[in-house]
Amino acid sequence: DAKTTQPPSMDCAEGRAANLPCNHSTISGNEYVYWYRQIHSQGPQYIIHGLKNNETNEMASLIITEDRKSSTLILPHATLRDTAVYYCIVRVLGETSGSRLTFGEGTQLTVNP
Amino acid sequence: DAMVIQNPRYQVTQFGKPVTLSCSQTLNHNVMYWYQQKSSQAPKLLFHYYDKDFNNEADTPDNFQSRRPNTSFCFLDIRSPGLGDAAMYLCATSRDWGSEQYFGPGTRLTVT
Repeated sequence: DAKTTQPPSMDCAEGRAANLPCNHSTISGNEYVYWYRQIHSQGPQYIIHGLKNNETNEMASLIITEDRKSSTLILPHATLRDTAVYYCIVRVLGETSGSRLTFGEGTQLTVNP
Repeated sequence: DAMVIQNPRYQVTQFGKPVTLSCSQTLNHNVMYWYQQKSSQAPKLLFHYYDKDFNNEADTPDNFQSRRPNTSFCFLDIRSPGLGDAAMYLCATSRDWGSEQYFGPGTRLTVT
């Protein structure tokens, strides 16, 4: 699985958009970009994933660059409950080894009032 | 609501005393996973089951075992807990290989 690089921490004002970057410059053509988050003392929570097209769901938007070497998770209107560690993970689907979620260091997002 | 349930949420055991953590799911997913998360670290996969097929990570200590008696339940057995095994243990499920994983709330294990 490709390695990802994320900033260790970010701050965001409540109500503003939070843009969390992730670099995955060695990503392979069949690897997807996944985002999970972990609120303190809880299990990780799936947010969104994509291959090459931008994706949006009720939680967030995922913007993947054309060369797929980086992506940005966007929380459009951050709330205090969005304070969490956000993990960007790249993985191959459909193979035994590919089902493994290899968590990196993640980004600690703090949403301030 | 369909969910992943872990019991107990907090477990205290003595050094060397076997302990079992349990996980159940109402999602009817094929795959179940166990992760270990030590303080201030990211979760690390220990092993997973696809149905009854067991897959052990290469660096998972022999001290850790798992059982999946049926689709709904999965157990993590630690045969002789050491102080270094104190951690949050997370159970997760997914419908199939590569599907998004749904995590339980975790069991925090303390070893005294």
